[in-house]
Amino acid sequence: GAVVSQHPSWVICKSGTSVKIECRSLDFQATTMFWYRQFPKQSLMLMATSNEGSKATYEQGVEKDKFLINHASLTLSTLTVTSAHPEDSSFYICSARDSRTRYMNEQFFGPGTRLTVL
Amino acid sequence: QQQVKQSPQSLIVQKGGISIINCAYENTAFDYFPWYQQFPGKGPALLIAIRPDVSEKKEGRFTISFNKSAKQFSLHIMDSQPGDSATYFCAAEISGGYNKLIFGAGTRLAVHP
Repeated sequence: GAVVSQHPSWVICKSGTSVKIECRSLDFQATTMFWYRQFPKQSLMLMATSNEGSKATYEQGVEKDKFLINHASLTLSTLTVTSAHPEDSSFYICSARDSRTRYMNEQFFGPGTRLTVL
Repeated sequence: QQQVKQSPQSLIVQKGGISIINCAYENTAFDYFPWYQQFPGKGPALLIAIRPDVSEKKEGRFTISFNKSAKQFSLHIMDSQPGDSATYFCAAEISGGYNKLIFGAGTRLAVHP
């Protein structure tokens, strides 16, 4: 199956700093990437959808100036949490799909990044 | 109308038993219904998926049953094993355009030896 990686797998930062999380599709081209946030024992909450070369589409209630998403190539998307605060501590998961193939519905998820803001 | 309701919230099954998780939806435009398995600290992994043109799909010990008229679908795990202990999410999606998955709340399955 298709592989999606995330880096880093975990990060601890001080309040007020910015953190960048990378999401890469390793063996396929991702026309669309998604960023999710998951709190303990809860479901995945979609934050934004990004298509390669286009601006990300953010879900209602997600601050686009705080969560900067860049999808500069067909294999890389980045999420930058700017001026992080303790309430931003969460598990961030990306997923990717190639909408051009017959498996256009399938989303392949990364392993997640655990962010802890002190 | 965009919600997917999943039950039960948690489930305990003995080894060798059948685990059944149910999901219901309202939006008849949904045409893709995947199930994901997630272990603690990991990202979700696609387990099995179905489209509304079939009523059942089986892959190994995992079966999806789909009832279009009732707008319900369920995951059956046969011969449940301790290694199946994980959180399971159902989801639904409308194909095409900027489609996105709508996830259920999740079911925490524990399979006891």
